[in-house]
Amino acid sequence: EVQLVESGGGLVQPGGSLRLSCAASGFTFSSYWLTWVRQAPGKGLEWVANIKQGGSEKYYVDSVKGRFTISTDNAKKSLYLQMNSLRAEDTAVYYCAGGVVALDYWGLGTLVSVSS
Amino acid sequence: EVVMTQSPATLSVSPGERATLSCRASQSVSSNLAWYQQKPGQAPRLLIYGASTRATGIPARFSGSGSGTEFTLTISSLQSEDFAVYYCQQYNNWPLTFGQGTKVEIK
Repeated sequence: EVQLVESGGGLVQPGGSLRLSCAASGFTFSSYWLTWVRQAPGKGLEWVANIKQGGSEKYYVDSVKGRFTISTDNAKKSLYLQMNSLRAEDTAVYYCAGGVVALDYWGLGTLVSVSS
Repeated sequence: EVVMTQSPATLSVSPGERATLSCRASQSVSSNLAWYQQKPGQAPRLLIYGASTRATGIPARFSGSGSGTEFTLTISSLQSEDFAVYYCQQYNNWPLTFGQGTKVEIK
């Protein structure tokens, strides 16, 4: 059974940092595109970042470029999102997702709240 | 950026009826279009990819069609568990983009 389990969310002050983790099991981790998607309270889905298997390609939504970094550890089958210079508008549930073309598998999400 | 526009925002349907949801792309995305279902408090679930291919385990009452800029998700006979929010997403161009969602509610 495929499982993606996020962790690392919490309350942080504006300008602060958090590192999200996503532990994967049940699929060939290194064969999939891996993705972070977020959802602000009561709002729709927003794609945040993607990393290609092997880490050779990384893509980000403009609003997080230069602040967020996506990475993987294939040995640990884990996906990460380092988030720096956090803003109130980054408040959301952050989902990790994976797939070959579309987002086949999703975690349950972790809540990030940016507030003073 | 490819802007995805879904209509209607809310669709009121009686159980057993057909639901037709639309998604329009601001430029061609070929057939690189997926549909997701999200229920309250849950993560999204992939329904359709490649515009018309059902994901593993998705019932046959869900079907997708279209290519280029116009896409449709049809639920042939709504079941109680189908009342949810549905999102389209293009994966033809970076950044990946989602539509704003269509809420399917009980009439």
